Amino acid sequence: GENVEQHPSTLSVQEGDSAVIKCTYSDSASNYFPWYKQELGKGPQLIIDIRSNVGEKKDQRIAVTLNKTAKHFSLHITETQPEDSAVYFCAASIGSSNTGKLIFGQGTTLQVKP
Amino acid sequence: NAGVTQTPKFQVLKTGQSMTLQCAQDMNHNSMYWYRQDPGMGLRLIYYSASEGTTDKGEVPNGYNVSRLNKREFSLRLESAAPSQTSVYFCASGLRNEKLFFGSGTQLSVL
Repeated sequence: GENVEQHPSTLSVQEGDSAVIKCTYSDSASNYFPWYKQELGKGPQLIIDIRSNVGEKKDQRIAVTLNKTAKHFSLHITETQPEDSAVYFCAASIGSSNTGKLIFGQGTTLQVKP
Repeated sequence: NAGVTQTPKFQVLKTGQSMTLQCAQDMNHNSMYWYRQDPGMGLRLIYYSASEGTTDKGEVPNGYNVSRLNKREFSLRLESAAPSQTSVYFCASGLRNEKLFFGSGTQLSVL
């Protein structure tokens, strides 16, 4: 079945450094790739997403890149701040995403040390 | 504008008991979802509803039933709870191929 692998499972960086989280997916038909941030005790919140007709998207300190050939996509956070500490999930649409269904990666716990 | 509201926030059940998790959204979204979150396994889709009156199975539907009561409400029922259903449950709503809005979750323990 469809699968999304996310690495690393934990990531610790110094404030101001960059953080990169990588995901691979198995379904060639996937065309929508969102990233969610989950703070302790809360539900996940969308922080950025990318569609298959785009290779890169940026929103202030956050960027996402997509390599459809290799079925890889990555989240890049620059100039990290303590409030970036959270669990991050990547996801890929199941099939062409007409159903809106997503399959999620296992999550990455990011710790930003002051 | 409350977004997605889940009740209860916490629940402890004994094996074999039943319960219903409630979810309501006020964003006029067609699609609603139930996910469970377990350590190291991310979020896994239990059931979803693409529109009022329709429901379909996700990755892990066994042991659960759902009801899309109307456009706003989507409930998840455990008929006979098992310890393997100890998890955090999230309801979400959204438009197809657009962002999902998640509730704050229900932490369920089955003893």
